[in-house]
Amino acid sequence: KNQVEQSPQSLIILEGKNCTLQCNYTVSPFSNLRWYKQDTGRGPVSLTIMTFSENTKSNGRYTATLDADTKQSSLHITASQLSDSASYICVVKGRTDSWGKLQFGAGTQVVVTP
Amino acid sequence: KAGVTQTPRYLIKTRGQQVTLSCSPISGHRSVSWYQQTPGQGLQFLFEYFSETQRNKGNFPGRFSGRQFSNSRSEMNVSTLELGDSALYLCASSLKGQGMDEQFFGPGTRLTVL
Repeated sequence: KNQVEQSPQSLIILEGKNCTLQCNYTVSPFSNLRWYKQDTGRGPVSLTIMTFSENTKSNGRYTATLDADTKQSSLHITASQLSDSASYICVVKGRTDSWGKLQFGAGTQVVVTP
Repeated sequence: KAGVTQTPRYLIKTRGQQVTLSCSPISGHRSVSWYQQTPGQGLQFLFEYFSETQRNKGNFPGRFSGRQFSNSRSEMNVSTLELGDSALYLCASSLKGQGMDEQFFGPGTRLTVL
């Protein structure tokens, strides 16, 4: 069973609106959680990295939150733009994990329409 | 500083053939990891190289192999191609590897097996 579950699987949003993506994980002990943005046919680009002690981190219009107690994270996109259309992937690293044991979510496909 | 580069960007092969993909990491990065991404499976770890040594390996058959050169450039080889090998192959580089620091992804090589 995948230790990182993302929801929704996909969503369509009007330009200018806000949206929130969810990531639930079971990885333990936890080290950090990363959100990546991946444009179609391109490699993922890191948006935020959050460690156990961080509750929120922003990168421009992207704000990630983390609740390590409930093992939940969210990525909030404010005032969406057409360029936000992409797949957003949540990646969780356990405390002793190397790259080989990073847990990847399946991603949320976001489509921003005019 | 130039980012991670991968060549070729697109490749079409037929079943039974073999293929070699190349990855040049960010200057100074010694760790290179390879991932396979398919719509059904998401991102899956193939292997990681650090200073010319394979440090971690994912659950892929022996047809998938790699190597790293003294300048940290890495190649990945897939022999006896199967239809299921069609995917986006991503490489990522980092300074230390082993999940200890940020990794940066290349644009990927889109492999189509006919």
